[in-house]
Amino acid sequence: AQSVAQPEDQVNVAEGNPLTVKCTYSVSGNPYLFWYVQYPNRGLQFLLKYITGDNLVKGSYGFEAEFNKSQTSFHLKKPSALVSDSALYFCAVIPQGSNYQLIWGAGTKLIIKP
Amino acid sequence: KAGVTQTPRYLIKTRGQQVTLSCSPISGHRSVSWYQQTPGQGLQFLFEYFSETQRNKGNFPGRFSGRQFSNSRSEMNVSTLELGDSALYLCASSPGLAGGPGRGETQYFGPGTRLLVL
Repeated sequence: AQSVAQPEDQVNVAEGNPLTVKCTYSVSGNPYLFWYVQYPNRGLQFLLKYITGDNLVKGSYGFEAEFNKSQTSFHLKKPSALVSDSALYFCAVIPQGSNYQLIWGAGTKLIIKP
Repeated sequence: KAGVTQTPRYLIKTRGQQVTLSCSPISGHRSVSWYQQTPGQGLQFLFEYFSETQRNKGNFPGRFSGRQFSNSRSEMNVSTLELGDSALYLCASSPGLAGGPGRGETQYFGPGTRLLVL
């Protein structure tokens, strides 16, 4: 079965420290991978995606993610966290070339403490 | 460009009623997808419309239906509301020409309609 796992329900980070939000996946074939962020009472905002090429993808608001094929992971990272980064983060995956819809992770709540 | 807009933002209904939600995609986008988000089930795909045709469908009962107009605006209807239908309903648009996220397209989401069924 195809799936996405975000193993941490919540991640706590002090402001100014680096942050990592983990995502692992299981799909048949090569994947396209996406990260979205959701602020309270808002829709999802696109952060970045991996399609092909460089395994390190840079996105909005200083976020980046590294595609690791051998570990089937696509962890979201930021070198220095801001309090305003506190939000709910979703990882999503889809097999390349498929007509399916995105497979979504359960979400990780990121809390940045001042 | 203006983003995806959804109306209304909040709705309160009672069991048995029906509701219609509206979504206007980003200008030029022809694909509109609908999702239900709840604390227990997370994000669940309802259906996708492209060029006025349903292109993809999730595992929801027939009480959930949708349509798309020639200007790409979409509506979602839920009939005979149940308490479990209380959720945030999200609409997402994408260009659609490449075939959706399976071809690498990015979906852009609206702010959602929060539906409360009493």
